[in-house]
Amino acid sequence: EAQVTQNPRYLITVTGKKLTVTCSQNMNHEYMSWYRQDPGLGLRQIYYSMNVEVTDKGDVPEGYKVSRKEKRNFPLILESPSPNQTSLYFCASSLSDGVSSYNEQFFGPGTRLTVL
Amino acid sequence: GENVEQHPSTLSVQEGDSAVIKCTYSDSASNYFPWYKQELGKRPQLIIDIRSNVGEKKDQRIAVTLNKTAKHFSLHITETQPEDSAVYFCAAGYNKFYFGSGTKLNVKP
Repeated sequence: EAQVTQNPRYLITVTGKKLTVTCSQNMNHEYMSWYRQDPGLGLRQIYYSMNVEVTDKGDVPEGYKVSRKEKRNFPLILESPSPNQTSLYFCASSLSDGVSSYNEQFFGPGTRLTVL
Repeated sequence: GENVEQHPSTLSVQEGDSAVIKCTYSDSASNYFPWYKQELGKRPQLIIDIRSNVGEKKDQRIAVTLNKTAKHFSLHITETQPEDSAVYFCAAGYNKFYFGSGTKLNVKP
């Protein structure tokens, strides 16, 4: 089954404790992206990757890191989480020609993160 | 950077009526404009999209129109049904994407 998976689905942590949210897709998509969703703000892009070893900042990259060592995986790293990073996080992937990603983005199920 | 504005924030219609949601964008480099539907507790799912070289696209009861000159695009849902009730998001971009703040559509039976 073609899908995007995220782990964990729910996480409660404390300020400053490093964490990683994993994202994996089995559709051989070049493009992957992370979003956060907060009430009244829609989805905001954190980072995106056009292909392996190619990552770029989205609209709200502060406090986050990503890596793209393999095509199927795109982990999101919070090295020192703070309460303002409490949010619902979505990973997404799509086909890309390497220049633009004007194809359907398939979203993962979401990770609800609470930072105390 | 890009700025995407979406209106209205809430929309209530009677079953069978039409619903229209509008979005504006600011960056003329944006060339892809998807619309996503998100049901409560679920992930966003694409319902229709349009590229900048097309002015209109239709898929059964759903249509999207794009006016590049005015930098606005709209979602049209005809013959609405209760299962259309959800939050709808527009987005604009080409590899970096910006989403509108969402429209909560309520279709009353």
